[in-house]
Parts: sequence; structure tokens; C-alpha cells
Amino acid sequence: GESVGLHLPTLSVQEGDNSIINCAYSNSASDYFIWYKQESGKGPQFIIDIRSNMDKRQGQRVTVLLNKTVKHLSLQIAATQPGDSAVYFCAENNYGQNFVFGPGTRLSVLP
Amino acid sequence: GAGVSQSPSNKVTEKGKDVELRCDPISGHTALYWYRQSLGQGLEFLIYFQGNSAPDKSGLPSDRFSAERTGGSVSTLTIQRTQQEDSAVYLCASSAGTPGVNTQYFGPGTRLTVL
Repeated sequence: GESVGLHLPTLSVQEGDNSIINCAYSNSASDYFIWYKQESGKGPQFIIDIRSNMDKRQGQRVTVLLNKTVKHLSLQIAATQPGDSAVYFCAENNYGQNFVFGPGTRLSVLP
Repeated sequence: GAGVSQSPSNKVTEKGKDVELRCDPISGHTALYWYRQSLGQGLEFLIYFQGNSAPDKSGLPSDRFSAERTGGSVSTLTIQRTQQEDSAVYLCASSAGTPGVNTQYFGPGTRLTVL
């Protein structure tokens, strides 16, 4: 499949280490946020979401942190695995409006 | 329980030709979105359908682009008189309701190449 995001920021981590991917969002009125994972040749896949009344949410091996003061979102992946290699996008939503996506970060897991 | 499907998966066309891209959303999802993803870029919003409301077309880049959704289900994105800059992956997504309440789920995309 086609490779997306050839010129995206890249984060390289050693297998087994924790990864932190950051995202700055633009709209202070946004109240819902999603992290997506996109592998080459595939559509974005939902990972985890968080609403603005929360500052942290945990899933399986993933944690999303929301700092509304500085409009910052982060995705933490514990014990990163080769299968985590992909492009990661954050998306913000102001209730009832469209989703706005960040530019994406490529995560590369080193053996 | 199939997810969002799109067809064709790949489309190669000549400059100036018209193309139609199809999206089958998840059954029961009332909201449907089209995005464009160019190489090295993020997702660019094109158009959004919600139930029987008038679609939000604010992201369509020119009047060569149009989309319709028949019967509240299948959607077709049409690009007339294609140009080389239209080459991209076109992604469709659907969600169960109002954005911000329900997560959107993506299809695999259609890769459009305009020669």
C-alpha cells in the first residue's frame, strides 16, 4: 500500500521502551479528542479518546493525557512493540462540528 | 458487523476524466465523512453528511468535487475533470451520531492516481 506521511516528524524508540507522542490542538472550545493509528496502506484506526472533562484516560498499553491550559494532548504507549510502528494522528472536535486532524507523527520502533 | 468499505481500492485515471469513489458506511451510522490525504500530509476534510440534514460541503476544494449520499447509507464522491493535484488517498469514515459524541471509524481508502 501507499506510504503516507513521508515527511512527517518521526519518533524512534527502542522496542520495549515507552513512547510519548505529542499533539498541540488549535481550538480551545474543542471538547472531544481522539488518537488514531494509521499503518501504511490502511485507513486510520481508533486507539483511544478523551473528553474535555477529563485529563487522563487509560486503555490497554495506552494512556492519553489532556492539558487544556496549554491545548496539549499526548499519547503514551507502554512497552512499545514493532507492531506499534505507524503514523499517529490526533483529532479534535468541537461538539457537533467536524473533526480537525493534526499533521501526524511517525513512530518507528527499533529492534 | 463489517466496517466501513470503500471501492475501488485503487483508481488510475487520465487527466480530464471524471471519477466516482464509493463508500459503504457501517450499518446504522447516520454520519458520513470524506477526507483526502495527500502524500506527506495529514487528513483534509472534504464533506460531511449527518442524517437528513444538508451536508457540510465547506471542505470541498473546488466545484469539480461533489458528493451525494443515497438513502442515508452509501455515498459517492465524484471528481470531474480530474487534475494531477487530485492524486491522493480518499478516506471515508462513519459514526453513529453527532461528532463529539460518537467516534468515527475509517474505511481503507481509495488511492487515486491522475496521470
